[in-house]
Amino acid sequence: KAGVTQTPRYLIKTRGQQVTLSCSPISGHRSVSWYQQTPGQGLQFLFEYFSETQRNKGNFPGRFSGRQFSNSRSEMNVSTLELGDSALYLCASSLAEGHSYEQYFGPGTRLTVT
Amino acid sequence: DQQVKQNSPSLSVQEGRISILNCDYTNSMFDYFLWYKKYPAEGPTFLISISSIKDKNEDGRFTVFLNKSAKHLSLHIVPSQPGDSAVYFCAASTNFGNEKLTFGTGTRLTIIP
Repeated sequence: KAGVTQTPRYLIKTRGQQVTLSCSPISGHRSVSWYQQTPGQGLQFLFEYFSETQRNKGNFPGRFSGRQFSNSRSEMNVSTLELGDSALYLCASSLAEGHSYEQYFGPGTRLTVT
Repeated sequence: DQQVKQNSPSLSVQEGRISILNCDYTNSMFDYFLWYKKYPAEGPTFLISISSIKDKNEDGRFTVFLNKSAKHLSLHIVPSQPGDSAVYFCAASTNFGNEKLTFGTGTRLTIIP
């Protein structure tokens, strides 16, 4: 069974631009969560989607948004990029809503904002 | 407000010896704890977990200890192997792992051959 895939793997953007990241969960998994990893901050929870609905949201500004499609694939969008948005963005999938105890992570998208 | 803390950013251990990684938490509602291991250019992979109804869980070379009164958990790796060199994250959840994960900042473990 294929793992969680994220595209693109690397991205360079300039301040003020917007970016869309994509995540394809493991086949059969219906929940997708997104995390931001920065040095010194660890992984910080962005949001979780289940059945195309945002189930949970972390403490991030409204510039960060996401959505989930009927095939469980998810996208994350960051608008008006700031230098501080440079980070590794990880998505994780699990079979059902919540179920954080059985999340499988993708390799991440490394975003650099210049 | 960092609810899960890993106060040691890095740790070096001789191959064959015991590695002990520590994690503290402040939220008494956490009842499920996990350890993840992360290699560069890869996503975190699940290692071992423990529920608050237990104080120890063992899986091969990995053992996690939970001290609820001290709000402290630790991961023991014995014997340590070069392949254990990675960044280790502890994470906590409520509702026995059915809610979002709160991660610590990670500890980089280096095993010295």
